[in-house]
Formats: sequence, structure tokens, C-alpha cells
Amino acid sequence: AQSVTQLGSHVSVSEGALVLLRCNYSSSVPPYLFWYVQYPNQGLQLLLKYTSAATLVKGINGFEAEFKKSETSFHLTKPSAHMSDAAEYFCAVSDPDTGNQFYFGTGTSLTVIP
Amino acid sequence: GAVVSQHPSWVICKSGTSVKIECRSLDFQATTMFWYRQFPKQSLMLMATSNEGSKATYEQGVEKDKFLINHASLTLSTLTVTSAHPEDSSFYICSARGPGSPLHFGNGTRLTVT
Repeated sequence: AQSVTQLGSHVSVSEGALVLLRCNYSSSVPPYLFWYVQYPNQGLQLLLKYTSAATLVKGINGFEAEFKKSETSFHLTKPSAHMSDAAEYFCAVSDPDTGNQFYFGTGTSLTVIP
Repeated sequence: GAVVSQHPSWVICKSGTSVKIECRSLDFQATTMFWYRQFPKQSLMLMATSNEGSKATYEQGVEKDKFLINHASLTLSTLTVTSAHPEDSSFYICSARGPGSPLHFGNGTRLTVT
């Protein structure tokens, strides 16, 4: 069974500062891992995904995440926050054998302070 | 690229009425569709999985008689919230997957029951 834990339901950073959103997973098999972003009043948008290739994954809008098996983590980072990054971010895991069912974390709301 | 269209994007209904939400795959055959619900300040919760032509499989705790899911064609799945109550107010999101295609999410439906 898979599960995801996102530490910190709310994160605030200053504009231009490093963004770090944490995600730890639990999986009985090597998982696929995803980060989604939900902007206010919009649907989910895929930021990036890890599917057993390179452990450092680059996504859209300057975000990247590193898969660390030893730490069972998939933290999302961005070197310099923009005001437009304010949104809710969800980490998700899926079983690569089925690829269908996703298990989402509880989400982290990112606030960017000007 | 493949697109999943979810309609309506928002709906307000009176308590006791039923509301139907549609999820369409626009350029691929969605053999499997998923319905999620997002509670305020909480994560997405998988409600049910539906395979085209089969009865939906509901997650534990989801009332199948209240949340009717129909997946009668390869491009359309519907979620009907029957006899809606204020506690059903939420954000509902569908996702769809077809043979050889990745999972695509709809933009979600904001349901408000007054």
C-alpha cells in the first residue's frame, strides 16, 4: 500500500527566497511520484513526475524534485520564489504496476510574501 | 495533447436536489476514470474508480447510493450527487486514463449546496 505525508500544511517564503516543500512516501514497491499544483479556482496541474529514471526531476516553472530512496522522500524545491507561485501543492504516489490509483498528500499551501 | 473536460466548473444547488457532474475525455478513449473529492484544507480523496461498461468500485466510506457513477462510454463518465446536503459541498475532480496514455485530470467542479 502507498501513502504520502506532506510536512507543513502552510509554508510562507519571501519573494526570491528558496522554496522547499516536503514530501515523504511509504510504498511496498518502488513508486512513481508526482507533484501537482492547484492555483486558486483552478484544477490540478502536473508540475513534475518521477518514474524510475533520473532521480533529479525538473518540472515546469523552475521547480524540481529529487527522489531519495534512502530517505523515502521527494521534496519539491525552487531556488527563487515568485509571487505567482502562491498555490496549493500536492505530492502523490502511484503504484507503477497499475499506474492508475493515486494517493495524495494533504497538500501544502504556499504563500509568497512580497 | 489529451484533455479531460469536466463540466460544470461550479454549481450551486438547493438541499435535497441532485446534481450531475460530467467528465469527458476529448481525444483519447478513457477506459478508466477516477473521481476524487477535496475537502476544505484537506487532500484529494479518491471516491471511486470506474471502468467503461462496468460498475464503479467505491472506496471505503463512500456511499455508492449517494454518489452515483456512470461510465457508459469510452469518453464520458458522470458523477451524480443525489439528494445533496450542505455537507456534500466540496470540490470534485475527475481523472481519466486510456491504453498507453498517462493520467489526465479535469479542472474540477465546485459544488455548493445551500
